Amino acid sequence: AQKITQTQPGMFVQEKEAVTLDCTYDTSDPSYGLFWYKQPSSGEMIFLIYQGSYDQQNATEGRYSLNFQKARKSANLVISASQLGDSAMYFCAMREGDNYGQNFVFGPGTRLSVLP
Amino acid sequence: DTGVSQDPRHKITKRGQNVTFRCDPISEHNRLYWYRQTLGQGPEFLTYFQNEAQLEKSRLLSDRFSAERPKGSFSTLEIQRTEQGDSAMYLCASSLGLAESPYEQYFGPGTRLTVT
Repeated sequence: AQKITQTQPGMFVQEKEAVTLDCTYDTSDPSYGLFWYKQPSSGEMIFLIYQGSYDQQNATEGRYSLNFQKARKSANLVISASQLGDSAMYFCAMREGDNYGQNFVFGPGTRLSVLP
Repeated sequence: DTGVSQDPRHKITKRGQNVTFRCDPISEHNRLYWYRQTLGQGPEFLTYFQNEAQLEKSRLLSDRFSAERPKGSFSTLEIQRTEQGDSAMYLCASSLGLAESPYEQYFGPGTRLTVT
């Protein structure tokens, strides 16, 4: 079974608009972490935001926020005021327990295109 | 530049040849990871080190792959007797290795391997 599901292969958004990228996850471990990464065409993975399973509040980092719904096992990324430079692949990832090895998995990604 | 660096950025080799990639992590990071990413997919875990110790290796990893991290600094990933299916982007990442920490992984630019 897929640990991380990203159901949107591609998304379009108008510049300056907000966009939500979906991520659902599957784990039975009570302790886990959720991450979002951005991968521009240059190929480098850029860390955006982190949410711990015990965090009471949704994580925010500048224009990025994570809509964490624990009961639904979803961790959607919200990008506000989209910019042309936001066009990239976005990956949701999960760490189960405190182990960053085998138990750190990435989803298939969503390609975001920001339109001028 | 104090980020993760990888060398070479691109490698073209003929099937059956051996190749070696190098990764230099962020200096204070004691954990180092290798991932493989094929087109349209998220990164797939290969192996990780804490200092010089290789703590985990993917169950999917062929014995043609070997990684080292002498002295807990840079790491090398060697692929012996390359096959066309080895063509992929090989990503290196590093992180602080504190227990129960959320510390994110910082990725290098990757080495793109093409096996002809």
